[in-house]
Amino acid sequence: AQKITQTQPGMFVQEKEAVTLDCTYDTSDQSYGLFWYKQPSSGEMIFLIYQGSYDEQNATEGRYSLNFQKARKSANLVISASQLGDSAMYFCAMRGVSGGYNKLIFGAGTRLAVHP
Amino acid sequence: GAVVSQHPSWVICKSGTSVKIECRSLDFQATTMFWYRQFPKQSLMLMATSNEGSKATYEQGVEKDKFLINHASLTLSTLTVTSAHPEDSSFYICSARLIERRYEQYFGPGTRLTVT
Repeated sequence: AQKITQTQPGMFVQEKEAVTLDCTYDTSDQSYGLFWYKQPSSGEMIFLIYQGSYDEQNATEGRYSLNFQKARKSANLVISASQLGDSAMYFCAMRGVSGGYNKLIFGAGTRLAVHP
Repeated sequence: GAVVSQHPSWVICKSGTSVKIECRSLDFQATTMFWYRQFPKQSLMLMATSNEGSKATYEQGVEKDKFLINHASLTLSTLTVTSAHPEDSSFYICSARLIERRYEQYFGPGTRLTVT
């Protein structure tokens, strides 16, 4: 079975500082994908970044980077230079071969608050 | 590009009535669409996978007769909550997968359903 664990219910960060949101996963699949989504109070799910299990380099998208440590089964999201608009819920998710590459399994989420 | 819309954005209905929620991919074709449910302060749970022209695949524990899904075209999927009850009150989110980009799902803005 696939499982995503996000152990931080809430995180605080000062504006312009970097923050790391933790995510660990469990799967028996050899091929899988890891995602991070942002959900502001409006409710929409915004895709941030993707990391494939066979990707050798950590994914980066602007201020977002994914610290992928395959042996530890962790896929932490790093947000650099935090902005007030980064305040939102953040979900880590995965998809694997055993789910037919259709099913996204989400973690419980981390609520990030950026303080001025 | 890759915009997914949902209609309505919020709906209030009386117990026992049925409610239809539409999910549209506005600028791309989506052979597969997904329906998620999110209770307050909880994560997203996949309800069903909707494939154009075929029957939806429901996740374990989701009542097929209560949550009717129709994927009539490559740009439209509908979720009908039949004989709604207060416990069906939730945030329903659809997503669509871009044919050419199999690893990304684009989410709609969600529909907040309140059953009184």
